[in-house]
Amino acid sequence: DAGVTQSPTHLIKTRGQHVTLRCSPISGHKSVSWYQQVLGQGPQFIFQYYEKEERGRGNFPDRFSARQFPNYSSELNVNALLLGDSALYLCASSLRGRLGYEQYFGPGTRLTVT
Amino acid sequence: AQKVTQAQTEISVVEKEDVTLDCVYETRDTTYYLFWYKQPPSGELVFLIRRNSFDEQNEISGRYSWNFQKSTSSFNFTITASQVVDSAVYFCALSNTSGSRLTFGEGTQLTVNP
Repeated sequence: DAGVTQSPTHLIKTRGQHVTLRCSPISGHKSVSWYQQVLGQGPQFIFQYYEKEERGRGNFPDRFSARQFPNYSSELNVNALLLGDSALYLCASSLRGRLGYEQYFGPGTRLTVT
Repeated sequence: AQKVTQAQTEISVVEKEDVTLDCVYETRDTTYYLFWYKQPPSGELVFLIRRNSFDEQNEISGRYSWNFQKSTSSFNFTITASQVVDSAVYFCALSNTSGSRLTFGEGTQLTVNP
């Protein structure tokens, strides 16, 4: 079975631009979470979606938004990019949205903002 | 608030040595889940283990073993007879049952030299 897939793999954007990152969960998984990992640090939680509803939001500005589609894939949008948004963005899927189900991560999208 | 501390930033060992990675956590929840993930240079987080707060039994999986001690809020990870392929960044993470939001530690960079 295919794992979590993310696109694109790499992305270079300019300050002030907008970016959309995409994620397809493992087949049968209904929960998708997004994390930001700045170089040298642990991943930081951004959003969780379960059954197309937002179930959790981390401490990120409103420039960050996301949604989940009927097929459980997800998009993360970031507006008005800042240099500090440069990071590896990881998507994770899990079977359920709670009860500590293990999350399986995709390969990530490396975003560079210049 | 939840917090995970991995005090060892970097560890370097010679192949076949045993190595233990420390993880200390803080949470006010009585039910919670602990995880270990491996992040090789490719960047993808690989799930290793999940443990719930009611199960303090230690676990062994091949060369890997985990020691969960609720009394000291620790969930340490030992690799026996380390190999070069074990070189990676290892993350300890914590979640509660209200969602699958993971709180990660800062990670430990393990280098196994031949």
